[in-house]
Amino acid sequence: QSALTQPASVSGSPGQSITISCTGTSSDVGGYNFVSWYQQHPGKAPKLMIYEVSNRPSGVSNRFSGSKSGNTASLTISGLQAEDEADYYCSSYTTTSTQVFGGGTKLTVL
Amino acid sequence: EVQLVESGGGLVQPGGSLRLSCAASGFTVSSNYMSWVRQAPGKGLEWVSVIYSGGNTYYADSVQGRFTISRDNSKNTLYLQMYSLRAEDTAVYYCAREVAYGSGIDYWGQGTLVTVSS
Repeated sequence: QSALTQPASVSGSPGQSITISCTGTSSDVGGYNFVSWYQQHPGKAPKLMIYEVSNRPSGVSNRFSGSKSGNTASLTISGLQAEDEADYYCSSYTTTSTQVFGGGTKLTVL
Repeated sequence: EVQLVESGGGLVQPGGSLRLSCAASGFTVSSNYMSWVRQAPGKGLEWVSVIYSGGNTYYADSVQGRFTISRDNSKNTLYLQMYSLRAEDTAVYYCAREVAYGSGIDYWGQGTLVTVSS
């Protein structure tokens, strides 16, 4: 159950687009379309932003989108806004019916 | 309105035990996939355990054999019994709900802090 690999930090200016990658193995990300993405602001509980690779829950802005290729999933945020500054985590189910999170990516809006 | 309220956290000595509770309202615990996720101070999220609607349970390797997840359907409450606690178990523990397998955790509690220290 090794953590999924995410970049420690990404940054972008308001209005720009950024992409956060999440790399796993064929036993997790590559083996299932059960990848989720969460946003977490300091001192708050995480919030579901994307589920099943590319689906957005009701109420989540369409500026957030997800995709997957092989063992790597990606979260793209377009039209960056100040309130997007937060930590982002990916997660995936695994072949042993457990779940695994990525190490997290700190997004800074310049 | 869906709510998850954790309790039971606190300071415990290494080797000690603690039981966390998560009282749910607005939905039925036994009809959903209920998980515990923890976050050490200043660190990332770590999945701990899940109990499926059918009753199957699964654990992270780091807690296998030391933690037990369970639920009380009559109280609509989720539990995490923790034994043989270690300093590395120090974290905020979140109770969380998934509607179905792989659907993502759509509701989280506010978290309860467990500190393992002498």
